[in-house]
Amino acid sequence: SQTIHQWPATLVQPVGSPLSLECTVEGTSNPNLYWYRQAAGRGLQLLFYSVGIGQISSEVPQNLSASRPQDRQFILSSKKLLLSDSGFYLCAWSGLAGYTYEQYFGPGTRLTVT
Amino acid sequence: GDSVTQMEGPVTLSEEAFLTINCTYTATGYPSLFWYVQYPGEGLQLLLKATKADDKGSNKGFEATYRKETTSFHLEKGSVQVSDSAVYFCALDNYGQNFVFGPGTRLSVLP
Repeated sequence: SQTIHQWPATLVQPVGSPLSLECTVEGTSNPNLYWYRQAAGRGLQLLFYSVGIGQISSEVPQNLSASRPQDRQFILSSKKLLLSDSGFYLCAWSGLAGYTYEQYFGPGTRLTVT
Repeated sequence: GDSVTQMEGPVTLSEEAFLTINCTYTATGYPSLFWYVQYPGEGLQLLLKATKADDKGSNKGFEATYRKETTSFHLEKGSVQVSDSAVYFCALDNYGQNFVFGPGTRLSVLP
């Protein structure tokens, strides 16, 4: 069966510090991968998605970046965090279930920028 | 572009009450429709889905019917429990690359 891991689970970082969040998927190959952010009490904001190694599409221009160095690894980074980067970061993957796609989410990383 | 609209929350119900959370969508073609649930501090979990008109998705006592004529996919449960307290997201997928999520509806069930 497929599983998706994210780490760390929680993170407290000062403004201006770098960021690296990691996501890995097991049990599937060539998944579509996604990074979302969820502000407190709000909906999902799609940040990046990837359909293959080295292929990244950005949905929102900001000081975050994403990379996919391996087929099942997706990394979210920042060189200098802003207060507004605080939130709950969710990684997800999608794949075929029968004739349609389904999307599956990781447990999330709670980031607080102080 | 494609979009999903959900009723604004929060929704507060007593245990064993009937639940309806409305969801309507705008999309070209024939999207797949989903309901996801998010418990506090966790990621989203797929609750149910429907892939074509008049399909009914069901799971854990929840159900929703794909109504193409009204472009709707309302979530229902006959008798809610305190453990159903969570945020519910309606979503669609058109072509399998990007999912579109509604803003979420927070449900609180009181004992």
